[in-house]
Amino acid sequence: GNSVTQMEGPVTLSEEAFLTINCTYTATGYPSLFWYVQYPGEGLQLLLKATKADDKGSNKGFEATYRKETTSFHLEKGSVQVSDSAVYFCALTYSGSARQLTFGSGTQLTVLP
Amino acid sequence: DAGVTQSPTHLIKTRGQQVTLRCSPKSGHDTVSWYQQALGQGPQFIFQYYEEEERQRGNFPDRFSGHQFPNYSSELNVNALLLGDSALYLCASSQRTEARKQPQHFGDGTRLSIL
Repeated sequence: GNSVTQMEGPVTLSEEAFLTINCTYTATGYPSLFWYVQYPGEGLQLLLKATKADDKGSNKGFEATYRKETTSFHLEKGSVQVSDSAVYFCALTYSGSARQLTFGSGTQLTVLP
Repeated sequence: DAGVTQSPTHLIKTRGQQVTLRCSPKSGHDTVSWYQQALGQGPQFIFQYYEEEERQRGNFPDRFSGHQFPNYSSELNVNALLLGDSALYLCASSQRTEARKQPQHFGDGTRLSIL
């Protein structure tokens, strides 16, 4: 079956540090890949997406590239801010699966001033 | 333009009871999915509704059931509650015809606690 494996947290960084959160997936075919963010007490917000190999999703300074050869979709940001503190989820879906999302277990990020 | 709205925000029940959670999708969306998020875990897919029918189901027992109304809103029902049903229940909506292009939009969830 489909699965997503995320780098285990929690991750603690100082403000302006470089962020990488690793995500790899197992799937047949060509899934779409997503990063969602969850702030305390809230639901999930889409951060970025990529729908085919070599696509780069980007938003709010975050980037991730869909690497089919390594089945990876690592999240990066060059300079994190305190406001980036949240839980980050990597996820995949297929159009043929009624777009059911399969999520990783999440990575808690804390950014210290 | 209202996003996905869920009610109630918090709910406390005891074992064996039944619960109904409600979801209104984002305007223009016709498909509703429900997810269970246990503490410290990623969301797990429960089922999806489109055109008032359950279209796909995850690995959840029959105690979990749902309904979609003609206005696309949806309910999640859980019978014979167990302690392990304590979780955040998330509703997500999407437009079926947009498939791969548009992501699902999530509500803020209902926090269900079982005593």
